[in-house]
Amino acid sequence: QSVLTQPPSVSAAPGQKVTISCSGSSSNIGNNYVSWYQQLPGTAPKLLIYDNYKRPSGIPDRFSGSKSGTSATLGITGLQTGDEADYYCGTWDGSLRAAVFGGGTQLTVL
Amino acid sequence: VQLVESGGGLVQPGGSLRLSCAASGFTFSSYDMHWVRQSAGKGLEWVSGIGTAGDTYYPGSVKGRFAISRENAKKSLFLQMDSLRAGDTAVYYCARDGGSGEWYFDLWGRGTLVTVSS
Repeated sequence: QSVLTQPPSVSAAPGQKVTISCSGSSSNIGNNYVSWYQQLPGTAPKLLIYDNYKRPSGIPDRFSGSKSGTSATLGITGLQTGDEADYYCGTWDGSLRAAVFGGGTQLTVL
Repeated sequence: VQLVESGGGLVQPGGSLRLSCAASGFTFSSYDMHWVRQSAGKGLEWVSGIGTAGDTYYPGSVKGRFAISRENAKKSLFLQMDSLRAGDTAVYYCARDGGSGEWYFDLWGRGTLVTVSS
């Protein structure tokens, strides 16, 4: 059972938009920055979003992040088959004194 | 700019293993560093972190069994794992902290597999 809650899977057609939610509490998302990671099959995770909404250089603006209260959302527009991957949210939990992740969401581009 | 892990393998329950991570292409001593693991078909789990001053951090699941350390002169990160259990079986990733303790990971290695089994 992960500290942060994500839907197990989402799907959408190529070219469409999808959002992935990440729900937490005041001890984690509510008082800390959220990051998002993409993990393509058989590879290491890759940072997509940090500090709730910032994109590292090289990450296209099709990827966006937002946070409201104790929840965060990753948005992906203009879906491509190459976006099929597992997506994880992460943050710091002040009560656990640990970095925590969501359970991951598998994105299928139909 | 890369991180390369090594030292994984098969170990018996109760045994020990030491993982290494070689950094290149950036000023290693200026970054906090972490280990994150992933069991087969499962999600990510942070297992340790070390600051630039050598301060260390662990979740409850590994505290007292795992020890993270660094050798800046050799641009290397280590994870000493003792009293290993079957539940410690996972791919272990070395990861760089993107923002001086901001707890996001902006550079990851390819990982090294640790299997705890008799």
